[in-house]
Order: sequence, then structure tokens, then C-alpha cells
Amino acid sequence: QVQLVESGGGVVQPGRSLRLSCAASGFTFSSYGMHWVRQAPGKGLEWVAVISYDGSNKYYADSVKGRFTISRDNSKNTLYLQMNSLRAEDTAVYYCAKDADIVAIRTSEIDYWGQGTLVTVSS
Amino acid sequence: EIVLTQSPGTLSLSPGERATLSCRASQSVSSSYLAWYQQKPGQAPRLLIYGASSRATGIPDRFSGSGSGTDFTLTISRLEPEDFAVYYCQQYGSSPWVTFGPGTKVDIK
Repeated sequence: QVQLVESGGGVVQPGRSLRLSCAASGFTFSSYGMHWVRQAPGKGLEWVAVISYDGSNKYYADSVKGRFTISRDNSKNTLYLQMNSLRAEDTAVYYCAKDADIVAIRTSEIDYWGQGTLVTVSS
Repeated sequence: EIVLTQSPGTLSLSPGERATLSCRASQSVSSSYLAWYQQKPGQAPRLLIYGASSRATGIPDRFSGSGSGTDFTLTISRLEPEDFAVYYCQQYGSSPWVTFGPGTKVDIK
């Protein structure tokens, strides 16, 4: 069965950096686009970034562009999110999520989600 | 950017009743690339509907989606106790960018 397990969350001071990881299993990781989606405490879902199945294309929400970098290592079945210049408003649960379409040229619906990792930005 | 608006913000109903949730887009969603997700407290979202009207694997047939263009609807024909949750719509027509609606909470009356 598909499993997505996030790690790397924690408490970090404003302006500092953090790297999240997502270990994937139960499917052919290298064939699917992957997303990061976040949810601030008590708030709704906010899409953060997507990376194509082969890592050649990456896209970001305006709120994180220039500060966050999505990447993947298909040999390790792992997705990453490097977060720099963190702000209080980046405080959220960060979900790793799998795109539904195989070897897709466009984004599709999200069919599997991890359980999330909490990032708290506070001094 | 396509902005999604969901209404109502909260829907108070009793088990067995019918729930009708609305999702409206600021511009037409191409090819009905719209999905619905259910989220319960402390859990990750779960895909219910994709392509505006196709049920995801394992989703009961009391859940149905409809609509096109800018107006979409999620209907739960008869609410079960486990259906009380928050529901989000998501558009992926403006690929690669994705947006979510603010959510509708379905709670017990």
C-alpha cells in the first residue's frame, strides 16, 4: 500500500532554515509528480509546490517562491522541501502528497497524502 | 490564479439528511479538473471525487460530484456519522498550479 512519511519538522526561529523529507513506498515513486501542501493551525489547505516525476519541472506558490525549494531523489524514493528565510506565517503542518497520474505532463488530483509534519516558526 | 469559493462555511445537519456543498471558481476550470477532499480532525485529507464527478477508489456511492465551468457541487445523499468533517474543493485545471477552496464544515445539528 502507498505510504508517505514526512519528517524534519520542529521549532525554528524566524529567518532560519529547515529541510523536510518524505519517504515514499508502495508505488513506483519515479513515475509520479509529488506535491507539498501545508495547513496552518485551524486553517485550510494551501498548496506549496509540485515537482514532476523526473524532477525536471518545479513550480511554487507565490507565498514561498524564492524561499522554498522542492527536490526529489528517485534512487532513494524521497521527496524534499528546503525552507529558507522562514517566517511566522510559514507555521503549519506540511503534507507530502502524491499526484494521481503516472508520468504526467500536467498536474492531476492528489490521491495519497502523508500524515504531515509540524513546522513552528517562533522566536 | 483561479480562486475557489465554498459555501456555506458551515452546514449543520442530522444523520440521514442530504448535504449539498457548493464550490465556485473565479474563472472556468478547464476540462472539469476539480476534486473534492474530506478531512477529519487530526487526519490528512482524503480524495473523494476527481474530474468533477468521478468517485475515487473505495468511496461510497452516497458521495457524488457534479458541475462544470465555474460551478461545482458535492452531494452526500444520506449523511452517516462518519461523514461529519470538513470538505475542500481543489482545482488543477490551471496546471501546474493548484488551488484549494477555504472548506465547508459539515457538523451535527
